[in-house]
Amino acid sequence: DAGVIQSPRHEVTEMGQEVTLRCKPISGHNSLFWYRQTMMRGLELLIYFNNNVPIDDSGMPEDRFSAKMPNASFSTLKIQPSEPRDSAVYFCASTKRGGMNTEAFFGQGTRLTVV
Amino acid sequence: QKEVEQDPGPLSVPEGAIVSLNCTYSNSAFQYFMWYRQYSRKGPELLMYTYSSGNKEDGRFTAQVDKSSKYISLFIRDSQPSDSATYLCAMKLGGGTSYGKLTFGQGTILTVHP
Repeated sequence: DAGVIQSPRHEVTEMGQEVTLRCKPISGHNSLFWYRQTMMRGLELLIYFNNNVPIDDSGMPEDRFSAKMPNASFSTLKIQPSEPRDSAVYFCASTKRGGMNTEAFFGQGTRLTVV
Repeated sequence: QKEVEQDPGPLSVPEGAIVSLNCTYSNSAFQYFMWYRQYSRKGPELLMYTYSSGNKEDGRFTAQVDKSSKYISLFIRDSQPSDSATYLCAMKLGGGTSYGKLTFGQGTILTVHP
């Protein structure tokens, strides 16, 4: 299995532009998580889906952020309009719900820079 | 106050040293405890997983959980330069409602120098 695949790996954009981050979870996994990592705040959960349904989006910082999961193999995180303070590494993770030992597998992340 | 507190370090030790990494938490509903390792410019990877108080050993790594004190530790024996990474503690609620949601500590940056 190729693991969790995120694209792009790096994104540099100007303030005010729309940014779309993409994630393909591991096949067979039914929970998907979007995290944001910064030096100041560490790894923060933004939103998570179970069986393509958003369960908890309380970590989404503002209405400028939105996430979708149209099917079991694809999710997007959109920022519109982007701001310099959105600069961070965004990780997608997936897990197979069920049992106690449900390891979350992370993608390589998308490093976003908003100038 | 954050639910999970972890000293961000950085921590620098010589090769062969014993490393101790620690986290405290405030939510007594956390039932599952994990340590993730994150190399530079990579995603976190699961290192150890435990759900009961006490010690769990895996090679040079020992995870310790004290639920009564809400305190977890990771010990690395005979540390190697390849152990240089950021170590993140993570916790999960019990039951089936959390859907695998993890709450992470800040992460501790560890450097093991030859």
